[in-house]
Amino acid sequence: KNQVEQSPQSLIILEGKNCTLQCNYTVSPFSNLRWYKQDTGRGPVSLTIMTFSENTKSNGRYTATLDADTKQSSLHITASQLSDSASYICVVTGTSGSARQLTFGSGTQLTVLP
Amino acid sequence: DAGVTQSPTHLIKTRGQHVTLRCSPISGHKSVSWYQQVLGQGPQFIFQYYEKEERGRGNFPDRFSARQFPNYSSELNVNALLLGDSALYLCASSLEGLRAEQYFGPGTRLTVT
Repeated sequence: KNQVEQSPQSLIILEGKNCTLQCNYTVSPFSNLRWYKQDTGRGPVSLTIMTFSENTKSNGRYTATLDADTKQSSLHITASQLSDSASYICVVTGTSGSARQLTFGSGTQLTVLP
Repeated sequence: DAGVTQSPTHLIKTRGQHVTLRCSPISGHKSVSWYQQVLGQGPQFIFQYYEKEERGRGNFPDRFSARQFPNYSSELNVNALLLGDSALYLCASSLEGLRAEQYFGPGTRLTVT
């Protein structure tokens, strides 16, 4: 069964600090992995997308890493801001022929305090 | 340019009823996907449509169905509603292909009483 597990479930940090969110997956065959940011009551917004051959990708203060061998990914947030408070969701795309299926993690709820 | 739009924003139904949710993709996007997000959990993939054909299906019962129209808009239908169907239903559109970026709409909040 395809699964995506994220940790920690929730995280509280002070403004300006760094943090790292983890994602482990068992989706196979693997197509790509995305990190999304979801503010409360809104749809998710894409932060990064990584394929099998990519080890790291940055988007401003967000840096994602991917280890396809161990099936692990991380999202590092640098110099956190109050607006970073949101749920961060890891999404893995698998393929079966022409069909595509996305498996979402449950998210990490990040709270940034002043 | 308008993003992905969904209607209605909120909806309250009773058990056993039927509901239709609507989604308009970003102009030029040919693929639409539907997701169910229960409070406190990540979204669950329901369907993906591309050029009016179903390209992917998640683990949802046959009470859930969808279709895509020639203008690439889409409808999600749920029959015989259960209390557990209460959730935020998200629609996402993308151009095409496996690497296509998905852009999410604001969602429809469905409450089943």
